[in-house]
Amino acid sequence: NAGVTQTPKFRILKIGQSMTLQCAQDMNHNYMYWYRQDPGMGLKLIYYSVGAGITDKGEVPNGYNVSRSTTEDFPLRLELAAPSQTSVYFCASNDRGALDSEAFFGQGTRLTVV
Amino acid sequence: TQLLEQSPQFLSIQEGENLTVYCNSSSVFSSLQWYRQEPGEGPVLLVTVVTGGEVKKLKRLTFQFGDARKDSSLHITAAQPGDTGLYLCAETSGTYKYIFGTGTRLKVLA
Repeated sequence: NAGVTQTPKFRILKIGQSMTLQCAQDMNHNYMYWYRQDPGMGLKLIYYSVGAGITDKGEVPNGYNVSRSTTEDFPLRLELAAPSQTSVYFCASNDRGALDSEAFFGQGTRLTVV
Repeated sequence: TQLLEQSPQFLSIQEGENLTVYCNSSSVFSSLQWYRQEPGEGPVLLVTVVTGGEVKKLKRLTFQFGDARKDSSLHITAAQPGDTGLYLCAETSGTYKYIFGTGTRLKVLA
């Protein structure tokens, strides 16, 4: 029962460095999402995908890029890391993107940019 | 963009007390979900409400969807330390995207 798996769990980056946050799901879900959660706050949508080869921007896409070459994987790329990107990042998926469909979340990646 | 406001922002209560948290929108919800997030974990779905006026119960948790579908509430009876966490409401606004509220952070003291 892997569900949604995110790696790494923790990472410290220096300003200007780049990294890729990995997300994989084994539920054959078409819809996948990347959110960030700042301390004490809710979730803000960065990017989402409705299927392999299709991605779209969310509320806060600046400084990030995504790709979706397979149904299973949805990596999030940070280029030129900035302190404002210090946050906890969550990947989620669901099976049909319908109004009452449950979103399944990974355990998150805690990123600190110093 | 639809805004979801949750209140209160923080709540600290003693074990055994009752509490209610709220989720309000400036627009009509298509449907609404409640999630609970424990420290170090991702959110987990508690319930989905779809119909205005709908009431759903999950053990000691009672969820209500407003008649006009612009608000929802979560009532916990006899809170326990295991109820501690961040409670988030979420709505899809008719698209494929989940829009989350600001959250209510609950701490139940033993």
